[in-house]
Amino acid sequence: DIQMTQSPSSLSASVGDRVTITCRASQTIDSHLNWFQQNPGKPPKLLIYGASILQGGVPSRFSGTGSGTDFTLIISSLQPEDLATYFCQQSYSTPLTFGGGTNVEIK
Amino acid sequence: EAQLVESGGNLVQPGGSLRLSCAASGFIFSDYWIHWFRQVPGKGLVWVSRINKDGSSTTYADSVKGRFTMSRDNSKNTVYLQMSSLRAEDTAVYYCTRAFGNIHGYGGYDPWGQGTLVIVSS
Repeated sequence: DIQMTQSPSSLSASVGDRVTITCRASQTIDSHLNWFQQNPGKPPKLLIYGASILQGGVPSRFSGTGSGTDFTLIISSLQPEDLATYFCQQSYSTPLTFGGGTNVEIK
Repeated sequence: EAQLVESGGNLVQPGGSLRLSCAASGFIFSDYWIHWFRQVPGKGLVWVSRINKDGSSTTYADSVKGRFTMSRDNSKNTVYLQMSSLRAEDTAVYYCTRAFGNIHGYGGYDPWGQGTLVIVSS
């Protein structure tokens, strides 16, 4: 199975800050990497697929980079509504696997 | 608008069975693979199973292989997850989602249903 290591597990940032979350795969996954946002009691929301492709309707302050084993989710200017948990997921091979999540708090 | 709605979650005793349903609307159902994921509240997401467009092929996580069966009825725009020999560790919110891909072979999972809660307990 491909292990996904996500960091940090939590962060606190101010509105307007640039936020970076990283995800590392235990083996190369090309660009088969997705990022999700999730709020408590809600289903995951797809933000980015193919490592860098913004899903329709997602604000442009979200972006993704990387390929191979190392990936990054960037929120260019944190907004209050970005308070959530963020997960990376590899879709390179089954079993599909997720990072442990990053809880983003607003200072 | 594409939408998925799960149903069938319930409290069930260990060793029991349950069938979840995932009803789709707003898109051509038979054009998409569908996946099931689960999540213990407050914990991470775990992939459970997937089914191809015509239902001829399924894949399962090792933790449910031999106990869960995924199927679909394209005439009803519905996917099913038949769960048997349920264990306490199967307790979770179960989500279905649509898999999509672009011409370059990259894809994601969207939309997701709101989830249905399965509790396995005596």
